[in-house]
Amino acid sequence: GAVVSQHPSWVICKSGTSVKIECRSLDFQATTMFWYRQFPKQSLMLMATSNEGSKATYEQGVEKDKFLINHASLTLSTLTVTSAHPEDSSFYICSAIGPSSYNEQFFGPGTRLTVL
Amino acid sequence: DAKTTQPPSMDCAEGRAANLPCNHSTISGNEYVYWYRQIHSQGPQYIIHGLKNNETNEMASLIITEDRKSSTLILPHATLRDTAVYYCIVKGGGSEKLVFGKGMKLTVNP
Repeated sequence: GAVVSQHPSWVICKSGTSVKIECRSLDFQATTMFWYRQFPKQSLMLMATSNEGSKATYEQGVEKDKFLINHASLTLSTLTVTSAHPEDSSFYICSAIGPSSYNEQFFGPGTRLTVL
Repeated sequence: DAKTTQPPSMDCAEGRAANLPCNHSTISGNEYVYWYRQIHSQGPQYIIHGLKNNETNEMASLIITEDRKSSTLILPHATLRDTAVYYCIVKGGGSEKLVFGKGMKLTVNP
């Protein structure tokens, strides 16, 4: 099956710093990737849709200037959490639409962000 | 996309079939039923999807009622590793987004 990786798997940073999370499709090209956030004991919440070569589309209530998304190639999308604060601590998960014609999404393993 | 309703939790004995229900009474004709699961602290895993016919793959079977208002995911021989939160999601054929509800926690007991 299609494999999606994320790096790093976990990160701890100080309040006010920026953190970049990478999402890669390892064995297929993905023109569309998605970024989700998941707080403890809650479901996944879609943050934005990332399209290769164009600007990301953010869901309502998600600050585009705080969560910068870059999808510069068909296998890589990055999420940068700028000026991170403790309330940004969460589990960030990316996904990519797989190579079949059915549009199923394949998810990365997630990145645990802790902001001190 | 239509909403789905799942029970919050279910237990199953190891080795037995696990039947996970999902209601999607407002589903429209071009919307698919997708199932994903999420094992603790991991990204969701795609299981199966269907439109109106029953589907089977190496992981599970999906049974969709004739009126398409509900479906059942069947894990034929549940193992401890199947303990996870299972999400039933309805998605339009032209839509790429997945909207996750609360899902259902399946606990497989030894």
